[in-house]
Amino acid sequence: SAVISQKPSRDICQRGTSLTIQCQVDSQVTMMFWYRQQPGQSLTLIATANQGSEATYESGFVIDKFPISRPNLTFSTLTVSNMSPEDSSIYLCSVVGTSGLRWETQYFGPGTRLLVL
Amino acid sequence: AQRVTQPEKLLSVFKGAPVELKCNYSYSGSPELFWYVQYSRQRLQLLLRHISRESIKGFTADLNKGETSFHLKKPFAQEEDSAMYYCGTGNQFYFGTGTSLTVIP
Repeated sequence: SAVISQKPSRDICQRGTSLTIQCQVDSQVTMMFWYRQQPGQSLTLIATANQGSEATYESGFVIDKFPISRPNLTFSTLTVSNMSPEDSSIYLCSVVGTSGLRWETQYFGPGTRLLVL
Repeated sequence: AQRVTQPEKLLSVFKGAPVELKCNYSYSGSPELFWYVQYSRQRLQLLLRHISRESIKGFTADLNKGETSFHLKKPFAQEEDSAMYYCGTGNQFYFGTGTSLTVIP
């Protein structure tokens, strides 16, 4: 299994500012992901964080808006840039690859609850 | 690309009644399908995966390739089953839109 922590757990931000969310895993993992979860609604994949290279973004998400870093196998950051109220959401970090099995479980962090005013 | 669809955003059943949460997928290869659950104020966690053919907390899910479905079922719902349920794929790590299940006492 993997234990994931996220910082901050929540934040209230002003329109136009940026927030960086950190994700720390207690073991080395193959894959790390960032999701956006609208409360009580969909869980949408933003991007796959690749260690040592640019993240792979899903349709509708771009690097300028959501820059991602992954300097090593246990840590990643997601920045929400130039925020607007529409960015208010819960942002989740997720990992797989703790054992290298094909049918691996995804583990999720506790989430970062963001409110943009 | 692989996609999953959960047609019901909200589902309410009475305690003791059977429950079925629907999930349909679209994928041309061999799908890797999972059900994840999020209880109130808890993290998303794996409930079960189709490859294991297991029953967890009384829930089962059978992969039906003919109907491209992976519905989650439980014969007798309990109040503690109230949660948000997501159907997901292990191939591309996509999830459906989720179904909020409420079990009425």
